Amino acid sequence: DGGITQSPKYLFRKEGQNVTLSCEQNLNHDAMYWYRQDPGQGLRLIYYSQIVNDFQKGDIAEGYSVSREKKESFPLTVTSAQKNPTAFYLCASSKRTGGGTEAFFGQGTRLTVV
Amino acid sequence: DAKTTQPPSMDCAEGRAANLPCNHSTISGNEYVYWYRQIHSQGPQYIIHGLKNNETNEMASLIITEDRKSSTLILPHATLRDTAVYYCIVRVEGAGGTSYGKLTFGQGTILTVHP
Repeated sequence: DGGITQSPKYLFRKEGQNVTLSCEQNLNHDAMYWYRQDPGQGLRLIYYSQIVNDFQKGDIAEGYSVSREKKESFPLTVTSAQKNPTAFYLCASSKRTGGGTEAFFGQGTRLTVV
Repeated sequence: DAKTTQPPSMDCAEGRAANLPCNHSTISGNEYVYWYRQIHSQGPQYIIHGLKNNETNEMASLIITEDRKSSTLILPHATLRDTAVYYCIVRVEGAGGTSYGKLTFGQGTILTVHP
């Protein structure tokens, strides 16, 4: 089945440690996105990538890093510089061009930093 | 990027139509209107999108005003499972520009469908 997969679903880390969240898609989509969601809030864009080896900062990129070495994969690293990393993280992908480029979302990773 | 404004919450009786408004008064010619919904603790789900014509699919209808400054999502026969947060988004589809393809979510509307 085609889709977008985030792993793990739940992740616990100690404060000060970097952690990498996985996002893989087999939809042959060029564009991929990372969002953060805090309780009772909407989604905020962290980073997005329109094509392999290229990505742009979203609205809240500080303390995060990404890479896009393969079309299928867009991992997000939450670094120790992120002041409040506990949140629900969502990855999405879409076609790059044309009307009808709806985004498909993964089921999210809930990160808790203790 | 064009911004969207939605009411924070709405109620609807089961079986009735739910009409969710969205204001996007600064929308530009190459921006589409998209609607998504998010059920608690899940990833958002695509519902429908449009540019300037009204659209309908198996889930909903989208009515876009002639000046494109606002739109309404219609769930024709709401069920309890339609209770969710509904997001209205505008997205640049044409080539070029730093916001090309960028998907920006607002706060959305919490729709509660009650028996």
